[in-house]
Amino acid sequence: GNSVTQMEGPVTLSEEAFLTINCTYTATGYPSLFWYVQYPGEGLQLLLKATKADDKGSNKGFEATYRKETTSFHLEKGSVQVSDSAVYFCALLKAAGNKLTFGGGTRVLVKP
Amino acid sequence: DTAVSQTPKYLVTQMGNDKSIKCEQNLGHDTMYWYKQDSKKFLKIMFSYNNKELIINETVPNRFSPKSPDKAHLNLHINSLELGDSAVYFCASSQEGGQRRRAYEQYFGPGTRLTVT
Repeated sequence: GNSVTQMEGPVTLSEEAFLTINCTYTATGYPSLFWYVQYPGEGLQLLLKATKADDKGSNKGFEATYRKETTSFHLEKGSVQVSDSAVYFCALLKAAGNKLTFGGGTRVLVKP
Repeated sequence: DTAVSQTPKYLVTQMGNDKSIKCEQNLGHDTMYWYKQDSKKFLKIMFSYNNKELIINETVPNRFSPKSPDKAHLNLHINSLELGDSAVYFCASSQEGGQRRRAYEQYFGPGTRLTVT
């Protein structure tokens, strides 16, 4: 079946540091890939997406590239802010059934 | 302009009670979902409905019964609540894949934190 594996957190960084959160997936065919973010006490927000191999999704300074050869979709940001403190979820979506499969989430804490 | 809304935001109740959570979306989407997030933040789909028809039912106990009166609403009714039902429940919606079976992103509500005591 489909699965998503993320690095376990928490990840603690200083402001302006570089952030990478690794995400790898297992799926047949060509899933769409997503990063969602959950700020403290809030719901999930779509951060970025990529629908085919070599696509790069980007938003709010975050980027992730769909790498089919390594089945990965790592999230990166060059300079984090305190406001980026949140839980980040990698997810894949197959059109058949439209069912999102989430990774376990990675908590990121950015300190001033 | 709230896209996907849920009520209530918090729900505290005792074991054995029956409760409902309501969800509404104003995005014009055809498909709606319920997800459960446990205490470790792990998210898993429970149900999905497309145009009021049940599409996905992921081995959820019969005590959970989704109801979709129209395609903009998907409510979740839970009977005989148990301690293990304590979680955050998220509603989501998306466009329907259609004949081309395209996968559309899902938009989530703010969540309902259910605490069973």
